[in-house]
Amino acid sequence: GAVVSQHPSWVICKSGTSVKIECRSLDFQATTMFWYRQFPKQSLMLMATSNEGSKATYEQGVEKDKFLINHASLTLSTLTVTSAHPEDSSFYICSTGTTVYEQYFGPGTRLTVT
Amino acid sequence: GQQVMQIPQYQHVQEGEDFTTYCNSSTTLSNIQWYKQRPGGHPVFLIQLVKSGEVKKQKRLTFQFGEAKKNSSLHITATQTTDVGTYFCAGRLNTGTASKLTFGTGTRLQVTL
Repeated sequence: GAVVSQHPSWVICKSGTSVKIECRSLDFQATTMFWYRQFPKQSLMLMATSNEGSKATYEQGVEKDKFLINHASLTLSTLTVTSAHPEDSSFYICSTGTTVYEQYFGPGTRLTVT
Repeated sequence: GQQVMQIPQYQHVQEGEDFTTYCNSSTTLSNIQWYKQRPGGHPVFLIQLVKSGEVKKQKRLTFQFGEAKKNSSLHITATQTTDVGTYFCAGRLNTGTASKLTFGTGTRLQVTL
């Protein structure tokens, strides 16, 4: 299956700072990537759909000015959490897929805001 | 908006017992997928069901898609400790490649000897 990487795997930052998370598709070109957030022992909640070369589509309730998404190339999408607060602490996972079928998920990034 | 619920939320079984998780969508789905997430890991694709009433098997796992395409189930026969994890169903409303998945609430399975 497709290989998706994320960097960093975990990050601790202070409240008010910004954090950038990278999602890379290593062996195929991804025109679409999805960003999810998962709180402990909860389900994955889709935050936004990242489209290469165009603006991301955000789900209802997700602040686009707080969660900046850039999909500048077919292999890289980035999620920047701006002015992070403790309530933003979560597991952030990206996914993509080569077909309409299965999605391949990155290993995730655990963000802790202190 | 679309909601996908799973029951039970958690189940603890002894190795060798069977396990079933049920998935119900508030809207009719184009297709449904199942994923397994081990503790500390990321979701891993198991299978996709597309047709009404479809049944697929993978070794000890049996997946079923309801006739109305609004519900699905995953049944594990004779569980093993390697089955531990959270099982999510995820539904798609459309068939486009950019069509988003809505994940179910998940069922956490614990298996002990």
